[in-house]
Amino acid sequence: KAGVTQTPRYLIKTRGQQVTLSCSPISGHRSVSWYQQTPGQGLQFLFEYFSETQRNKGNFPGRFSGRQFSNSRSEMNVSTLELGDSALYLCASSSDDFNEQFFGPGTRLTVL
Amino acid sequence: GEDVEQSLFLSVREGDSSVINCTYTDSSSTYLYWYKQEPGAGLQLLTYIFSNMDMKQDQRLTVLLNKKDKHLSLRIADTQTGDSAIYFCTTGGGADGLTFGKGTHLIIQP
Repeated sequence: KAGVTQTPRYLIKTRGQQVTLSCSPISGHRSVSWYQQTPGQGLQFLFEYFSETQRNKGNFPGRFSGRQFSNSRSEMNVSTLELGDSALYLCASSSDDFNEQFFGPGTRLTVL
Repeated sequence: GEDVEQSLFLSVREGDSSVINCTYTDSSSTYLYWYKQEPGAGLQLLTYIFSNMDMKQDQRLTVLLNKKDKHLSLRIADTQTGDSAIYFCTTGGGADGLTFGKGTHLIIQP
């Protein structure tokens, strides 16, 4: 089985721009979660989608949004980028019958 | 929100046992996890323990859970240079998302 894939792996943007990151879960997994990892704050939960519905959202501003498609692929969008948005963004998928989450390699976003 | 606390660094000699400790606040977590992150890599689930268990052993790994004190530990026997990584104590899961500690950098001395 192929693992979780994330594209792109690296991204450089400037302040004020917006960005879209993509995540393809493991085949058959219907739950996709997104996390932000920074040296200062560590790993923080952004949101979780299941069958195209956002079930929960972490404590992030509305500039962070996401969606999930009928094939379970998910995208997250960050609008009006700030320097502090520079981070590794990790996507994880699970089958939801057991809460084990499988992580992708992440997208490294740098905001200049 | 929920919180997980763990020490930031642990240094051990190759061949010794490593013990990484954490405390957590989420008493409703059905499973508790240890994730491993190697340099430049994503997160890998190392092991987990069901909340009604006290101990779980998996080859060189031993997980101990003290629910009363909300204390979780990971013991790695015969630590090797390949064990050098960041280890995250983790609670939660499912729709609520995972809550991670800041991670313990395991440093192996030759």
